[in-house]
Amino acid sequence: AQSVTQPDIHITVSEGASLELRCNYSYGATPYLFWYVQSPGQGLQLLLKYFSGDTLVQGIKGFEAEFKRSQSSFNLRKPSVHWSDAAEYFCAVGGSSNTGKLIFGQGTTLQVKP
Amino acid sequence: EAGVAQSPRYKIIEKRQSVAFWCNPISGHATLYWYQQILGQGPKLLIQFQNNGVVDDSQLPKDRFSAERLKGVDSTLKIQPAKLEDSAVYLCATEPGGGQTQYFGPGTRLLVL
Repeated sequence: AQSVTQPDIHITVSEGASLELRCNYSYGATPYLFWYVQSPGQGLQLLLKYFSGDTLVQGIKGFEAEFKRSQSSFNLRKPSVHWSDAAEYFCAVGGSSNTGKLIFGQGTTLQVKP
Repeated sequence: EAGVAQSPRYKIIEKRQSVAFWCNPISGHATLYWYQQILGQGPKLLIQFQNNGVVDDSQLPKDRFSAERLKGVDSTLKIQPAKLEDSAVYLCATEPGGGQTQYFGPGTRLLVL
């Protein structure tokens, strides 16, 4: 069955520290992978996506993610976190050319300490 | 370009009442999705439209939920009658088609009392 697991429900980091959010997926075919961010009361904003090619993907706001097929992972990283990065982060899989349906993980809430 | 518009932003109803949500997609986007996001969970697909046809409604509770996309543009999602467990944020997302990036609206937050 297709699924996405985000093992960390809540993460707290200090401002300026590095960040890594974990994402593991189960998908029968070659996956399309996404990271979205959701601020309180807002919709989801796309941070980055992986369709094919280079397994290290650059996104907006200084985020990057690396696709590791052997580990079925797509972890999100940022070298230096800003207070404005506090939000909920969702990893998603799917979006093939046949059906665009996205399957989301349960999300990771990021808190940033001053 | 204008983003995905949704209304209302908030709705409070009592159980067994009916409610409707509206979504206006980005111009030219052929594919439209409705997702349900329960507190503490990731969004879950309810229904997917390609133009005005349904592609996937396997997760839609059809005994109480219905959706339509007239003329392949705006869409409405209806719940009748509502249950307590329907309290959630209902997100509309659209994409140009062919499995590209989905753009999400701000959502409608529903509370069923």
